This record gives sequence, C-alpha cells and structure tokens, in this order.
Amino acid sequence: AQSVTQLGSHVSVSEGALVLLRCNYSSSVPPYLFWYVQYPNQGLQLLLKYTTGATLVKGINGFEAEFKKSETSFHLTKPSAHMSDAAEYFCAVIGPGGYQKVTFGTGTKLQVIP
Amino acid sequence: DAMVIQNPRYQVTQFGKPVTLSCSQTLNHNVMYWYQQKSSQAPKLLFHYYDKDFNNEADTPDNFQSRRPNTSFCFLDIRSPGLGDAAMYLCATSRVLSGSTDTQYFGPGTRLTVL
Repeated sequence: AQSVTQLGSHVSVSEGALVLLRCNYSSSVPPYLFWYVQYPNQGLQLLLKYTTGATLVKGINGFEAEFKKSETSFHLTKPSAHMSDAAEYFCAVIGPGGYQKVTFGTGTKLQVIP
Repeated sequence: DAMVIQNPRYQVTQFGKPVTLSCSQTLNHNVMYWYQQKSSQAPKLLFHYYDKDFNNEADTPDNFQSRRPNTSFCFLDIRSPGLGDAAMYLCATSRVLSGSTDTQYFGPGTRLTVL
C-alpha cells in the first residue's frame, strides 16, 4: 500500500520569494510521483512527474521537484513566486509494476502575497 | 489539441432529479476515471473503466453509475442526487500498456449544485 503526506494545508509566500511545498510518500517499491496544480473551479493540471532516471525533475511554470529516495520525499520548489502561482497543489503517487490507482495527498493551498 | 473535455462545466439539478455528466477524450487512452472532489479535499475515485471493464470503488454509493459506450466517451449518472452529492466531478484518462500505469490527465471538471 502506498500513501502521500503533504505537510501544511496552507502555505503563504511573498511575491518573488521561494516556494517550497512538501510531499513525503510511503511505498514498498520505488513509486511514480506527480505534482498537479488546481486553480479555482478547474481540473487538475500536471506540473511534473518522476518515473525513473534523473531525480531532479523540471516542470511547467518554473517549478521543479527532486526525488529523494533516502528521505522518501518529492518536494516541489520554485525560486520566485508569482501571483499567478496561487492555487492548490496536489502530490500524487502510483506504484509501478502492474496496474495501480493514484493516491493523492490532501493538497496544499498556496497563497502569494503581493 | 488532444484533451479531456467535460460537459457541462456547471450543472444545477434538483434534489432527487437524475443528472448525467459527460466526458470525452481525444487522447485515445484506454482507461477513464471519474472522481468526486469536495471543497478543499483531494479527489476521491468513484470508479474507472479499463477498456470496457467497469471497476467500482467499494465505497461508491449505488446512486452513482457510469457508462462508456466507446473509447472516447464516458458518462457519470447520478440517479437521485442528494445535497451531499454537490461537488466538483472530475474525469481523467490514462494509458495503461502491458499493465503499467501512466500519467492521468484531467478534464476541467463539472461543478454540480443540488437545490
């Protein structure tokens, strides 16, 4: 069984400041990891994903995440927050090998303060 | 652009009046999912179709049904909506090859209001 924990249901940053959204996973095998962003009244948009290979993954809108197996983490970062980054962010995990369902974290709402 | 489309984007229905939500995809993905998402919560999987095979989640109420007449379309039927069914309904698709799961792509969602 796998699970995802997102620390902090709400995160506030100033415009131009570093964005750090935390995600830790639990999986018995190396998982596939995803970050999705959701704007109000919209569906989930894929930001980035890690499956295999390079552990630092770059996504859209200047976001990146690093898979750290030793820490079972996949934190999302962006060097400089923009007002348009205000949204809810979901970390998700799929176990590889055979058909697996997605397990979502509970989400983190990012507020960007001008 | 290839995408997942949901219609309508906003749906208002009355308590107990059946409603159908629609999802279509141009990605030619073999798996289609329906999620329910309530305010400030993660999406909750209701069921999915793996090709033509329907897979219901154990805790999905009987009030929720689904149809997939072909690869491109999938419908969510709510037979007798209650106030507690007001939520955002998300459709997603993915390609599963040789039993290996790939990324899920989501539609924009349908916001259901029950009066």
